[in-house]
Amino acid sequence: SQTIHQWPATLVQPVGSPLSLECTVEGTSNPNLYWYRQAAGRGLQLLFYSVGIGQISSEVPQNLSASRPQDRQFILSSKKLLLSDSGFYLCACLGLVGSGELFFGEGSRLTVL
Amino acid sequence: QKEVEQNSGPLSVPEGAIASLNCTYSDRGSQSFFWYRQYSGKSPELIMFIYSNGDKEDGRFTAQLNKASQYVSLLIRDSQPSDSATYLCAVTYNFNKFYFGSGTKLNVKP
Repeated sequence: SQTIHQWPATLVQPVGSPLSLECTVEGTSNPNLYWYRQAAGRGLQLLFYSVGIGQISSEVPQNLSASRPQDRQFILSSKKLLLSDSGFYLCACLGLVGSGELFFGEGSRLTVL
Repeated sequence: QKEVEQNSGPLSVPEGAIASLNCTYSDRGSQSFFWYRQYSGKSPELIMFIYSNGDKEDGRFTAQLNKASQYVSLLIRDSQPSDSATYLCAVTYNFNKFYFGSGTKLNVKP
């Protein structure tokens, strides 16, 4: 089965600083990959999804961007963080054909001060 | 983004009772429906999925889907304190995009 690694697990960043969150997947090839954000006490907001290397679809216009430089690597970035970027960032991978399940990494908790 | 609505709760039930969680969705083209459980500070984990109208049972959990009413529910029988968590409903049309509700917080009181 798939294993998703996310890092860093926790970070505190000042407003205006850059951001890079990394996600890598093991146990599968050419997976659909997703970035979600969960604000405190809220549901999951789909930010980006990718069906392959270099293929990124953005759901919500914002100051974030995503890249997929390798098959099993998905990176979330920002050039200048806003206070509203604080939240719990989750990388997810679509399960093997037939399951339809999203598997989540352990998440990266970002606090912007 | 597509709308997926859930009552935020908290829903409080005594241990051993049935907990009923509800979800409505706006996109009539949605094909597949999922219930995830999320403990505080943790990532979501899948409980059940359902594709066809009707009921689907798995142990103490039953998912119910009514596509005509755009409604999906989750019943938890014999609720246990360990079931206390936030339950997220998710829908997808083609397995490219998955949309989540804001979740219902369930408290099971011993």
